[in-house]
Amino acid sequence: QQQVKQSPQSLIVQKGGISIINCAYENTAFDYFPWYQQFPGKGPALLIAIRPDVSEKKEGRFTISFNKSAKQFSLHIMDSQPGDSATYFCAAGDDKIIFGKGTRLHILP
Amino acid sequence: EAGVAQSPRYKIIEKRQSVAFWCNPISGHATLYWYQQILGQGPKLLIQFQNNGVVDDSQLPKDRFSAERLKGVDSTLKIQPAKLEDSAVYLCASSLLGEQYFGPGTRLTVT
Repeated sequence: QQQVKQSPQSLIVQKGGISIINCAYENTAFDYFPWYQQFPGKGPALLIAIRPDVSEKKEGRFTISFNKSAKQFSLHIMDSQPGDSATYFCAAGDDKIIFGKGTRLHILP
Repeated sequence: EAGVAQSPRYKIIEKRQSVAFWCNPISGHATLYWYQQILGQGPKLLIQFQNNGVVDDSQLPKDRFSAERLKGVDSTLKIQPAKLEDSAVYLCASSLLGEQYFGPGTRLTVT
């Protein structure tokens, strides 16, 4: 089965710092790479997504960096805030997506 | 715009019993997905519908799980009989142009 490998499993960042989460995929046919944010007791919410025709996409404090040759992509959260504390999932695919195992992010106040 | 609705939010059953989950997708979304999310893991696709037809059910344990999407709108997922390892959150998602939007999920506990 195709996998999406996500790291780190957990991350602690000081308020105002940069949070970085990394993902790697295997299938070169994948053309859609979303990131989801999930709070306890809630469903995953689409945060930001990228397609392989660009190497970077920025929306507010959230940036995806995409390296097609390395089959890797990452999420950067600038000026991290306590309200960003959640579990983040990367995913990869097309109309069907495969999720990574998640990263539990905690922002220290 | 209203989001994806799911019910019930919580369900506790004993092993070998049956259970059903209901999902109402975002209006106009043709594609509907059911996922299983075990604690501490990412969602795993169980079945994908396009309108009322099944696109992919390769990871659905068909000996105990079934799903249907009548009239291409609402969907139900059923487990019969349940096993202890079915304890998880069952998420429904819908999409229109590739972006998937998730409901709040149903937390199932099998004792």
